[in-house]
This record gives sequence, structure tokens and C-alpha cells, in this order.
Amino acid sequence: GAGVSQSPSNKVTEKGKDVELRCDPISGHTALYWYRQSLGQGLEFLIYFQGNSAPDKSGLPSDRFSAERTGGSVSTLTIQRTQQEDSAVYLCASSSQGGQFFGPGTRLTVL
Amino acid sequence: GENVEQHPSTLSVQEGDSAVIKCTYSDSASNYFPWYKQELGKRPQLIIDIRSNVGEKKDQRIAVTLNKTAKHFSLHITETQPEDSAVYFCAAPSPGYSSASKIIFGSGTRLSIRP
Repeated sequence: GAGVSQSPSNKVTEKGKDVELRCDPISGHTALYWYRQSLGQGLEFLIYFQGNSAPDKSGLPSDRFSAERTGGSVSTLTIQRTQQEDSAVYLCASSSQGGQFFGPGTRLTVL
Repeated sequence: GENVEQHPSTLSVQEGDSAVIKCTYSDSASNYFPWYKQELGKRPQLIIDIRSNVGEKKDQRIAVTLNKTAKHFSLHITETQPEDSAVYFCAAPSPGYSSASKIIFGSGTRLSIRP
């Protein structure tokens, strides 16, 4: 079946602009996660959605970052007033009872 | 909170030899331990996982062992091949979360296979 998809695959923006990144999880997966990965670095947890529960936002680096998940499926990560240090690959993952399945990521470049 | 430490950060082995990557965790209640492989420019992919009711799990050339008493788990790759070159991440549940939900990743091991 279809895996996790993300869009856009690449996004170049100017400093100060807002960006929206989209994630379509695997159908039926109740959990959805957002991570950030800088070049050559590890996986930095951002936010976790589980069913209808309140999301775990403990990893969001600043109040410029927010995310929502509509209808328990698609999620959008929004970064307001982007800064150069926001440049990274943003990965989404979903899971059911077992391990997480990752999307291909969105490469964000802030000029 | 939970801390997952992963060693070594880089590992180079001769093709055909074995590779071992080790991780330690701090929460004794943790009960699920996945391993992910990330090839250059690709997404992380789950390659094997183990739950705390078993001490070892194998899948062809890869195996994971778990020592709950010592709170460490290891990834073993035998008969390494060039396609095993990648970054490997271990993970464990975050405190207060059930298995296979919110997990914390180790810092990664860059494995290189020398021809």
C-alpha cells in the first residue's frame, strides 16, 4: 500500500517568510510524528499526535513552529518568520502498533 | 527523562566482517527497541525491532540483542556487504509513553564497509 508522503519535497524561501509543510500518513495509522534533521545530524523530535489526544509539542524549538492534524489524518507543520537556522530536512512518520514509517522528507532552505 | 546513548559514532569494517552497534537506555520500564537504517539522502527505515519479552531477534544477517538488567541493546550485522553502509539509529520509548509510541533516537552510527 501507499507509504507516508510529504509535500513539497523541496522548499526554498526567504528569511522572514512563513512556510507550510504537509504530511499524509499511512491510512489507519493513529500516531503521527514530525522530526527535523540537519545535514549529517540525528533526528530531532518536534511534535507527536496520537489519535484524538492533545499533541505532545515538547520538541518544538520556538513559538514560530506549530502543527495541526485534521481529521486524524493529514498534518501540516507551519514555520512562521523563517530563519536561516530553520534550514533542514523535515521528516514526518506514522505508526500503528509497531515501529514508525517515515516519509521522504521536505528539504527546507531559508535564504 | 529517557536518555539513549549510542556507540560508536563511526564504524569502519572490512567487507565480510561483522559490525556491532550498542545503545544504552535509562528507563527500566522501556519495553520496545527499534533500529533504523538511513542511507545517504534517503529516509530512515525500520530494519528490526525487539520487545522486552525476548532477549534476541534475528532477521537474516541482522540481529538485535537486549539485556534488560544492564539496560543495553545491540545491533549485530554479520557478513557485511557494501550496501550495509549507512547511518544506523537505535531508539527507545520516551518515559511515560507506551511502547512503539513516542520514541527517543540515539545519535546515530555511521557504518562504512571497506571493500
